Amino acid sequence: EVQLAESGGGLVQPGGSLRLSCAASGFTFSRHWMSWVRQAPGKGLEWVANIWQDGNEKNYVDSVKGRFTISRDNAMNSLYLQMNSLRAEDTAVYYCASSSKLWWPYDFDMWGQGTMVTVSS
Amino acid sequence: EIVLTQSPGTLSLSPGERATLSCRASQSVSNNYLAWYQQKPGQAPRLLIYDASSRATGIPDRFSGSGSGTDFTLTIAGLEPEDFAVYYCQQYGSSPLYSFGQGTKLEIK
Repeated sequence: EVQLAESGGGLVQPGGSLRLSCAASGFTFSRHWMSWVRQAPGKGLEWVANIWQDGNEKNYVDSVKGRFTISRDNAMNSLYLQMNSLRAEDTAVYYCASSSKLWWPYDFDMWGQGTMVTVSS
Repeated sequence: EIVLTQSPGTLSLSPGERATLSCRASQSVSNNYLAWYQQKPGQAPRLLIYDASSRATGIPDRFSGSGSGTDFTLTIAGLEPEDFAVYYCQQYGSSPLYSFGQGTKLEIK
């Protein structure tokens, strides 16, 4: 059974840092693009970042460039999101997501349950 | 930057009726890489349609997608009680790499 399990969310002050993790199981993690998608309370979905299978290419939405870093450890079947200089507007549920199709970056049919990040003083 | 605009914002229908949801892109969607998702409260999104018109695995055939270029439609033929949810469209390929529409809430009339 495919599983994506996020962890690491919590309450952090503006300007602070947090590292999210996503543990993958049930599929060959190293062959799949991986993304982080977030959803602010009561709002819609926003893609945050993605990373190629080998970790050599990474893409970010403009609002997090220079502050967030996506990474992966294929040996540990894990995806990460290092979030620095956090702002109130980063408050959201963060999902890791991917496609079950190999070499398929176009959409997401695998999702975790999400982890909540709250940026507040 | 490509912007996806969904309409209507809220759609009120009764079980058994047909739902038609629209997603309009501010520029042509690359290779029609347009997907539709369903999201229920407290749950992660669920992929319904990919490549504008292909049903994802396990999705009932009452869900169908159509369109190309800048205009896309999700149709739900014969609404079931479990279909009342929020629906999002999503594109791949233009800056930003992925973007979502703002969502259409399908509610019971």
